[in-house]
Amino acid sequence: NAGVTQTPKFRVLKTGQSMTLLCAQDMNHEYMYWYRQDPGMGLRLIHYSVGEGTTAKGEVPDGYNVSRLKKQNFLLGLESAAPSQTSVYFCASSSQPSTGENMNTEAFFGQGTRLTVV
Amino acid sequence: ILNVEQSPQSLHVQEGDSTNFTCSFPSSNFYALHWYRWETAKSPEALFVMTLNGDEKKKGRISATLNTKEGYSYLYIKGSQPEDSATYLCAFLGNRDDKIIFGKGTRLHILP
Repeated sequence: NAGVTQTPKFRVLKTGQSMTLLCAQDMNHEYMYWYRQDPGMGLRLIHYSVGEGTTAKGEVPDGYNVSRLKKQNFLLGLESAAPSQTSVYFCASSSQPSTGENMNTEAFFGQGTRLTVV
Repeated sequence: ILNVEQSPQSLHVQEGDSTNFTCSFPSSNFYALHWYRWETAKSPEALFVMTLNGDEKKKGRISATLNTKEGYSYLYIKGSQPEDSATYLCAFLGNRDDKIIFGKGTRLHILP
């Protein structure tokens, strides 16, 4: 199993450019998340999805859009990149038990994408 | 707004010493509590998933306890080693249909 795969691993953008980060998981997880990691700030939730076709805002959604057209993929878009969006981005996925029998609710993370906006 | 608090933010421990740190979470509507280990330049990886009040889990020199009635969990590391240096995250799942909420982490530095 590949688990959670993020592409690309590194990217440098100029201010105002757009880009899309792709997150793919092969564990049939319902929930997917996008976080950003900045020094001293821990993980901050940007957007998340509880299933195919659904998305919701997290703690720091401004400047980002997301889509979950297929269950295995969660895309994070930056329409007009700003230097404040320089960060390391992590995608994660998890399963949410519906009957209480499956207690394996932990999140699995991708390897991260280091984005620099100049 | 549900809050998950971890303390301390940062901790320096001498190699060989034991240490522990805390995760506080809302005591109502509990479903699960996770602990993750996050090494520099890597991704967080789950250490423990805890679901029952009074749970105690162990993995080598690392163990964790859970008190859902008062809303806290402790992570213990016995005989710290340099490879234990990492950020330890806890995460709260308050409802089986809710999203995971992460704390800010405790950054552990092991001094040789």
